[in-house]
Amino acid sequence: GNSVTQMEGPVTLSEEAFLTINCTYTATGYPSLFWYVQYPGEGLQLLLKATKADDKGSNKGFEATYRKETTSFHLEKGSVQVSDSAVYFCALSDPYSGGYQKVTFGIGTKLQVIP
Amino acid sequence: DAGVIQSPRHEVTEMGQEVTLRCKPISGHDYLFWYRQTMMRGLELLIYFNNNVPIDDSGMPEDRFSAKMPNASFSTLKIQPSEPRDSAVYFCASSTGTDSYNEQFFGPGTRLTVL
Repeated sequence: GNSVTQMEGPVTLSEEAFLTINCTYTATGYPSLFWYVQYPGEGLQLLLKATKADDKGSNKGFEATYRKETTSFHLEKGSVQVSDSAVYFCALSDPYSGGYQKVTFGIGTKLQVIP
Repeated sequence: DAGVIQSPRHEVTEMGQEVTLRCKPISGHDYLFWYRQTMMRGLELLIYFNNNVPIDDSGMPEDRFSAKMPNASFSTLKIQPSEPRDSAVYFCASSTGTDSYNEQFFGPGTRLTVL
């Protein structure tokens, strides 16, 4: 079946540091890949997405590139802010297993940015 | 749009009691999802509906859990009888399902505590 593996947190960084959160996946077909973010006390919201190999998703300074050869979708940001403190979820949907509507989420990585 | 609405936001109950969680999806969305989030297991899909019809309930943990969607603007998740291990945050999400990738819009969640 499908699965998503992401680095366990928490990750603690100083403001303006570089961020990388690793994510690898297993899927039957050619999945779409996502990063969702959950701020304290809120539901998840989509941060960025990529639907095919070599696509780069980007939003709010965050980027992730769909790497089919390494089955990875690592999240990066060049300079984090305190307001980026949240839990980040890597996720996929696979049309060959469950369809586009069923999304498999990783365990989530908590990021804490200190001033 | 008001987004996905869930009620109550917090629920504290005693073991053995019936619990009903409620969700109003975004108008026009034809998919609705119920998730459970715990520290140990992360985010788990319990069930999802398409056009008010349950499509996949394989994530429902046991017969104590049931979900209904009587119309396009309302869904319930019921636990009867509740047990302490049901304590979690329950999220409802909705989507249009029309794109090749499927962004889900999450509600704020209901934090359930079973004593």
